[in-house]
Amino acid sequence: KQEVTQIPAALSVPEGENLVLNCSFTDSAIYNLQWFRQDPGKGLTSLLLIQSSQREQTSGRLNASLDKSSGRSTLYIAASQPGDSATYLCAANSGYSTLTFGKGTMLLVSP
Amino acid sequence: EAGVTQSPTHLIKTRGQQATLRCSPISGHTSVYWYQQALGLGLQFLLWYDEGEERNRGNFPPRFSGRQFPNYSSELNVNALELEDSALYLCASSLVPNYEQYFGPGTRLTVT
Repeated sequence: KQEVTQIPAALSVPEGENLVLNCSFTDSAIYNLQWFRQDPGKGLTSLLLIQSSQREQTSGRLNASLDKSSGRSTLYIAASQPGDSATYLCAANSGYSTLTFGKGTMLLVSP
Repeated sequence: EAGVTQSPTHLIKTRGQQATLRCSPISGHTSVYWYQQALGLGLQFLLWYDEGEERNRGNFPPRFSGRQFPNYSSELNVNALELEDSALYLCASSLVPNYEQYFGPGTRLTVT
């Protein structure tokens, strides 16, 4: 059974800092891994999808990497802004189109 | 392009009643997924529908059921509501199975 862990659970940084969010998964046989952000009481916004054959994906100030052999993914956010404040979730797709989610990292970027 | 839409936004029910939640996927997407986000439990997979068929089911009792219509929209039914069913129910869709999932804004179900 796939288990996904995200560290840290919460993170508070001043505006402008670069930061790294970590995600680990127990079963390396994944189809892909997705990173999402969730604002309080809202749905999820897809940020990046990394296929199992890829090592990284980039979108604007976001860069996600994937190391299947070690069961790890990282989300790098460059030059953080207050608008980046949200909960960030990673989810592993281990087959049957089912996403297993971590509990998220709550990020607060202060001006 | 319109995203995934869900209705209603909020739903308040009494224990023992039935709830029906609706989801419309992104145009062209054939797969629809349902997830439950209960306080303190995180996001948990409920159901996956593709081409009108139930393809996979999470670890939830049979009183959670649903269907997918010919236009690929979907309905989640929760029978015999219990207090612990109170949660945010999220619907997602993907173009094809095992590909990127896009989520709707959710339906907040409160059971009193």
